[in-house]
Amino acid sequence: KQEVTQIPAALSVPEGENLVLNCSFTDSAIYNLQWFRQDPGKGLTSLLLIQSSQREQTSGRLNASLDKSSGRSTLYIAASQPGDSATYLCAVIKSSYKLIFGSGTRLLVRP
Amino acid sequence: GAVVSQHPSWVICKSGTSVKIECRSLDFQATTMFWYRQFPKQSLMLMATSNEGSKATYEQGVEKDKFLINHASLTLSTLTVTSAHPEDSSFYICSAQPRTGYRDTQYFGPGTRLTVL
Repeated sequence: KQEVTQIPAALSVPEGENLVLNCSFTDSAIYNLQWFRQDPGKGLTSLLLIQSSQREQTSGRLNASLDKSSGRSTLYIAASQPGDSATYLCAVIKSSYKLIFGSGTRLLVRP
Repeated sequence: GAVVSQHPSWVICKSGTSVKIECRSLDFQATTMFWYRQFPKQSLMLMATSNEGSKATYEQGVEKDKFLINHASLTLSTLTVTSAHPEDSSFYICSAQPRTGYRDTQYFGPGTRLTVL
C-alpha cells in the first residue's frame, strides 16, 4: 500500500528565507507526483506536476525535484513571502490517475 | 479555463437527513471525477472514482450505500450523503479529469464544508 509522508508537519520561517519541504513515498511505481497549495478552508491550487520521467520542474520561485528510486521529492521555495503561508500537500499519482496525498506541511512565513 | 465548481460551499444539516453536493466542470468535459474527504488538520482521502455513465468505484472502507455518487453527464457529478451523522462532518472536495487534452491533470473544486448537528 502506497504511503506518502511529509516532513516537517509545520514550519515557521522569517520572510526572505529559502526553504525546503520534503515528501517521501513507499512505492516507487508512480505515474506522476504533484505539489499543491491549500489555504485554510479552501480547495487546492496545483503548483507543480512532475512526470515520472522528469527530475524537476520550476515555476517562478518554486522548484520541485523527484527521485523515484529513493521515493523522495522536495519542494524548494526561494525568498519566501508572507503570502506563501499555507499548507503544502504532495500527492503521488498512480496509473489509474488516483492521487494519494501526504499529510501536508503547514507553512508560516513571518513578516 | 479548467474551472471546477462545487455547490453548496457549506451546508449545515440535522442528523438523519440527506445532503447532496454537486461538482461541475464549467468549461471542459470530464470523463472521470474524484471525490475526496478531508477531516480537520488531516490530508485528503480519496473516497471514490466516478465515471460518466457507469457506477462509481469506492475506496476500501467507504460505504457505497451511505455515499451515493451519480455521474449523469460529462460535466456533473453528485455526492449524496444519506442519513448523515455528526461523524460525517468534513470537508468534501471533488476533482475532474479532462476528457481530452492533458489528462494527467485533475482540476479541483473549492470544496464543500458539511456540518451535521
